[in-house]
Amino acid sequence: NAGVTQTPKFRILKIGQSMTLQCTQDMNHNYMYWYRQDPGMGLKLIYYSVGAGITDKGEVPNGYNVSRSTTEDFPLRLELAAPSQTSVYFCASSTWDRGQLGSPLHFGNGTRLTVT
Amino acid sequence: AQRVTQPEKLLSVFKGAPVELKCNYSYSGSPELFWYVQYSRQRLQLLLRHISRESIKGFTADLNKGETSFHLKKPFAQEEDSAMYYCALKGYGQNFVFGPGTRLSVLP
Repeated sequence: NAGVTQTPKFRILKIGQSMTLQCTQDMNHNYMYWYRQDPGMGLKLIYYSVGAGITDKGEVPNGYNVSRSTTEDFPLRLELAAPSQTSVYFCASSTWDRGQLGSPLHFGNGTRLTVT
Repeated sequence: AQRVTQPEKLLSVFKGAPVELKCNYSYSGSPELFWYVQYSRQRLQLLLRHISRESIKGFTADLNKGETSFHLKKPFAQEEDSAMYYCALKGYGQNFVFGPGTRLSVLP
């Protein structure tokens, strides 16, 4: 049981390049999330998904896109990388059914992205 | 609106001293509160969940609804406690909101 797995661990992009951050979980969690972590700013929610085929914007979605074709995978796409997207990106998952307590968030190891 | 505040960006204490990391929240309903910890260059991991009312690594936290606080406490800090600590609130469903974090530095 690997939990939440993110790839790559590190990446350097030039301005204007595109890339996809991969995230997969093997816990059959219905909820998945992408956060970015900037120094001194805590975690900001980029996008989240409540299940396969359903995604929604978080607090800072501009410049990003997501898809959720399967329960396990939740890739984050950067189309035109900008220096402001230099950050550490964390994928997370959780599970919740209406009327139930719900689980805490389970995080991946993070992807450190630098855009120059 | 859901909001979590952690007033201290950095907290430095000496080994063996008591430590308290402050967390206040605003939420109109009955929230669930968590503390997450991030050791250097590691993933965030759950430290405490208020409904569990347990002590992990010597840390405890009590939800005070009157003061809307969920402060994290440990009577005797250890050097290995040095990390980034995030307070988080879960409202309806699985909507998590994080505070800005407090970096705890335990000095020898």
